[in-house]
Amino acid sequence: AQSVTQLGSHVSVSEGALVLLRCNYSSSVPPYLFWYVQYPNQGLQLLLKYTTGATLVKGINGFEAEFKKSETSFHLTKPSAHMSDAAEYFCAVSDYYPDKLIFGTGTRLQVFP
Amino acid sequence: DTAVSQTPKYLVTQMGNDKSIKCEQNLGHDTMYWYKQDSKKFLKIMFSYNNKELIINETVPNRFSPKSPDKAHLNLHINSLELGDSAVYFCASSQEQAYGYTFGSGTRLTVV
Repeated sequence: AQSVTQLGSHVSVSEGALVLLRCNYSSSVPPYLFWYVQYPNQGLQLLLKYTTGATLVKGINGFEAEFKKSETSFHLTKPSAHMSDAAEYFCAVSDYYPDKLIFGTGTRLQVFP
Repeated sequence: DTAVSQTPKYLVTQMGNDKSIKCEQNLGHDTMYWYKQDSKKFLKIMFSYNNKELIINETVPNRFSPKSPDKAHLNLHINSLELGDSAVYFCASSQEQAYGYTFGSGTRLTVV
């Protein structure tokens, strides 16, 4: 069965610093991988996704992630953190049948001025 | 127009009561889902429906009953509410796995 591990439940960075949120997956088939962001008291918003093709995917708000099959990883990065990036970030993998998204436990990103 | 809308946004109720949460999507998606987010922010699927047919029922107590009158609506009815049912419940919809899911803004259920 598919699964996702997010390393680090909390990550703190200074404004302007690099953001790196880690995600490793386990899948018996080529995975579809997703990153979602949840702002306080809001729903989940899709940041970016990997399905096939280019392994470096770009998303909204300057985020990007690289699919590395050899490392079974899909880490999320942003070159320069902004205060507005403070939120909970979830990595997810698709399970094919039945169709469902399996989420990691989330990483809370704090950004300090 | 909100793509996936849930009502109510907040629900406070006493133990033992019965309550419903409604979800509607205007995206034309075939599949809808209910997810539960617990106090530690962990998200777990509860149910999915594809074009009104139940696909996933993920070891949820049978006090929880989803109903899909048409493919644009998926409601969640909960009987005999317990303290442990307190959580945020998210509705979502999708057309194809590769596109990901669109989530509603959630319903925060508090059982007192």
